[in-house]
Amino acid sequence: AQSVAQPEDQVNVAEGNPLTVKCTYSVSGNPYLFWYVQYPNRGLQFLLKYITGDNLVKGSYGFEAEFNKSQTSFHLKKPSALVSDSALYFCAVREDSWGKLQFGAGTQVVVTP
Amino acid sequence: DAGVTQSPTHLIKTRGQQVTLRCSPKSGHDTVSWYQQALGQGPQFIFQYYEEEERQRGNFPDRFSGHQFPNYSSELNVNALLLGDSALYLCASSPHGGQGYTFGSGTRLTVV
Repeated sequence: AQSVAQPEDQVNVAEGNPLTVKCTYSVSGNPYLFWYVQYPNRGLQFLLKYITGDNLVKGSYGFEAEFNKSQTSFHLKKPSALVSDSALYFCAVREDSWGKLQFGAGTQVVVTP
Repeated sequence: DAGVTQSPTHLIKTRGQQVTLRCSPKSGHDTVSWYQQALGQGPQFIFQYYEEEERQRGNFPDRFSGHQFPNYSSELNVNALLLGDSALYLCASSPHGGQGYTFGSGTRLTVV
């Protein structure tokens, strides 16, 4: 069975500082990994995905994520955080190209001016 | 190009009632999945429809059922509503064999 862990309920960072949101996963085969962001009372917005290839994936709004197979991690990063990046971030994993997404519990990011 | 459209945006129902939520997928997408997101939690997979058939189902009781129409739109039905069914219900669409989902803004269901 697939699973995702986001070990931090909340991450606090000052504007302009680097932002990292952690995610580890467990799947039986090769993982399909995703990051989504959710603003209050909204649906999920896609940020980036890893299917295969380069371990460093670049996504929307300046975000990137690094796939580490040996550590089964897929941490989300942004070099310089903005106040507008304050939101709820979800990591998700899938075992195949079409099946269900298994989401983590989410990490609340708070960026202070 | 419209994304995923869900209706209604908000809904209040009484325990024991039945509810139907609707989803129109993004243009070019033929696969629809439904998720339940309780307050403070990550989305939980309910089921997925492709070619008007339920292709995969999560750990939800039979009170949750769905349908997909020939135009790929979909409905989620919940019978005998419980207080615990209060949640944000998200619809996601994708092209067949495609790797990315597009999510709608959700329907906020409150059961009183």
